[in-house]
Amino acid sequence: AQTVTQSQPEMSVQEAETVTLSCTYDTSESDYYLFWYKQPPSRQMILVIRQEAYKQQNATENRFSVNFQKAAKSFSLKISDSQLGDAAMYFCAYRSSPASSQGGSEKLVFGKGTKLTVNP
Amino acid sequence: ETGVTQTPRHLVMGMTNKKSLKCEQHLGHNAMYWYKQSAKKPLELMFVYNFKEQTENNSVPSRFSPECPNSSHLFLHLHTLQPEDSALYLCASSQDLTRGTGYTFGSGTRLTVV
Repeated sequence: AQTVTQSQPEMSVQEAETVTLSCTYDTSESDYYLFWYKQPPSRQMILVIRQEAYKQQNATENRFSVNFQKAAKSFSLKISDSQLGDAAMYFCAYRSSPASSQGGSEKLVFGKGTKLTVNP
Repeated sequence: ETGVTQTPRHLVMGMTNKKSLKCEQHLGHNAMYWYKQSAKKPLELMFVYNFKEQTENNSVPSRFSPECPNSSHLFLHLHTLQPEDSALYLCASSQDLTRGTGYTFGSGTRLTVV
């Protein structure tokens, strides 16, 4: 079974600075998807960024970018120019590709999350 | 609002009560999910429905009973719960099970069992 590990329970960053959140995962599959979700106090899980494992290019969405290291099974999230609104829980998640799942569920498997605080 | 609506937002129930959580989406998605989010634990998948059919039950106790009358609605019926069932229950939907898209989540129901 796939597992996702976020080793930083909490992180803090100064407003306008850059912060990197770590995520590692364990899988025997070669094709899969990785996600970062943000959960602010409103509780709604919001998709931040998505990476397809077969793509070597790192995904980028405005101030958010990832460093995807497939061989190392690492998928870190970099937030540039941090804003107060970035304060939230951040969850890394893994999803099998239909081609890899061998008929199993393509469910999202989540890490425990990292609480990000942005200091003014 | 992301398109997935959950009601109620908060629920307090006794261990002998029966209550239901409701989830609704009008995104045209065909797969719907229930997750349990407890403090300091990863989100736990409970149930998966695809085109109204249950495709996964992740060893969930029978005191949780899901119902999916159509692709837009998902319910979680609760009865004789335990205090350890107190958690945030999140509903999510996706286009279907075969695409690598992320899920769209609701805001959850905060359940407290007393």
